Amino acid sequence: QSVLTQPPSASGTPGQRVTISCSGSSSNIGSHTVNWYQQLPGTAPKLLIYGNGQRPSGVPDRFSGSKSGTSASLAISGLQSEDEADYYCAAWDDSLNGLLFGGGTKLTVL
Amino acid sequence: EVQLVESGGGLVQPGGSLRLSCAASGFTFSGYGMNWVRQAPGKGLEWVSYISSTGSTIYYADSVKGRFTISRDNAKNSLYLQMNSLRAEDTAVYYCARDNYDFWSGYRYWGQGTLVTVSS
Repeated sequence: QSVLTQPPSASGTPGQRVTISCSGSSSNIGSHTVNWYQQLPGTAPKLLIYGNGQRPSGVPDRFSGSKSGTSASLAISGLQSEDEADYYCAAWDDSLNGLLFGGGTKLTVL
Repeated sequence: EVQLVESGGGLVQPGGSLRLSCAASGFTFSGYGMNWVRQAPGKGLEWVSYISSTGSTIYYADSVKGRFTISRDNAKNSLYLQMNSLRAEDTAVYYCARDNYDFWSGYRYWGQGTLVTVSS
């Protein structure tokens, strides 16, 4: 079964660095680039990272992404209260011939 | 300014049909692939379907294959999702989303979403 696995929750204090993992397989992350989305409560998702580690214009450089093998990570440095949101990884899956989203990680800023 | 505005959501009975529309503006619509992504209440994101800029390439999630049809009208700058044989599990907010640069570079722009409720 093709899935992208994220921890359901993560937390940190202001100024801290947090990372969110996304684990997949050879048919998705192992073969394709990973994109990350941020979804603030009650709003549409926002593209945060594309192509494993590229930031769209307007996304602060506090956000960074990386990929190794069949896993990817999103790192947020200098955590701010406005970073409290749900974060999703996504990658194409060759077995499904479709896009997979991770289950999402709810980030709480303590 | 890029804008995507969905419409057509509403309450429909199980087994019924609905057609969603997404009106695009602020960019050359015919130059980008488009997608539908949905989110059930309180749940995560689920990709539904993709259509290439010319409409020549289409993909569907297994959960909607054979029931949903994606299409586009480049002359009208519009994207559509025809949903047939609707089930309770299709209840969700449906977002249309534009490719960032290409198929692989994520979804840069999203609409505000339209709610589809399947219930008797």
